[in-house]
Amino acid sequence: QVHLQESGPGLVKPSETLSLTCTVSGGSISDYYWTWIRQPPGKGLEWIGYIYNSGSTTYNPSVKSRVTMSVDTSKNQFSLKLNSVTAADTAVYFCTRGSYCSRTSCYLRAMDVWGQGTKVTVSS
Amino acid sequence: DIQMTQSPSTLSASVGDRVTITCRASQSISSWLAWYQQKPGKAPKLLIYKASSLESGVPSRFSGSGSGTEFTLTISSLQPDDFATYYCQQYISYPHTFGQGTKLEIK
Repeated sequence: QVHLQESGPGLVKPSETLSLTCTVSGGSISDYYWTWIRQPPGKGLEWIGYIYNSGSTTYNPSVKSRVTMSVDTSKNQFSLKLNSVTAADTAVYFCTRGSYCSRTSCYLRAMDVWGQGTKVTVSS
Repeated sequence: DIQMTQSPSTLSASVGDRVTITCRASQSISSWLAWYQQKPGKAPKLLIYKASSLESGVPSRFSGSGSGTEFTLTISSLQPDDFATYYCQQYISYPHTFGQGTKLEIK
């Protein structure tokens, strides 16, 4: 059974860079789209973006100018970097598994596996 | 972006009740809609995908229907474990947007 675990600093200073890593265990990082979702305190869910194991990415326009995602297949990990953070970036950040690609086709899938989430506070 | 609108925002119900939550998309998303359940302090859990397909392990009292722009999540007989917040999400067009959530409370 695939398990996801987020890791990274829980406190980031304004204007600095938020960096999180998601470790995939119990399965390969290959063949799937891996997504970051965030949830500000007391609010709803926001899709940040995805990365595929080829390095292909798509980001939410709301953060596109500040976000970078990467994947390390040798470590079965993918990462999120969000620069120039403000208090509005304070949230619980989740990593998730999404769509699937075989050798010949890709298949749209909902997010069926989620990490437990990691709380990130932006404050000086 | 495709806007997803859920109604109601809050729903009060009793154990055993049948409840329905509605999700509307600002443009057609065919059947590319998912429903998630979230409990406080926990990650969301996938309940329904492709509008009406039940995720493995999810009780059969949960069902989904709809296509195009209007969708519903129905819980046929509420159980104590079902009191939570529910979100719909479209996953055909980037960014994959969520509804604002429906909080299901005990009456």
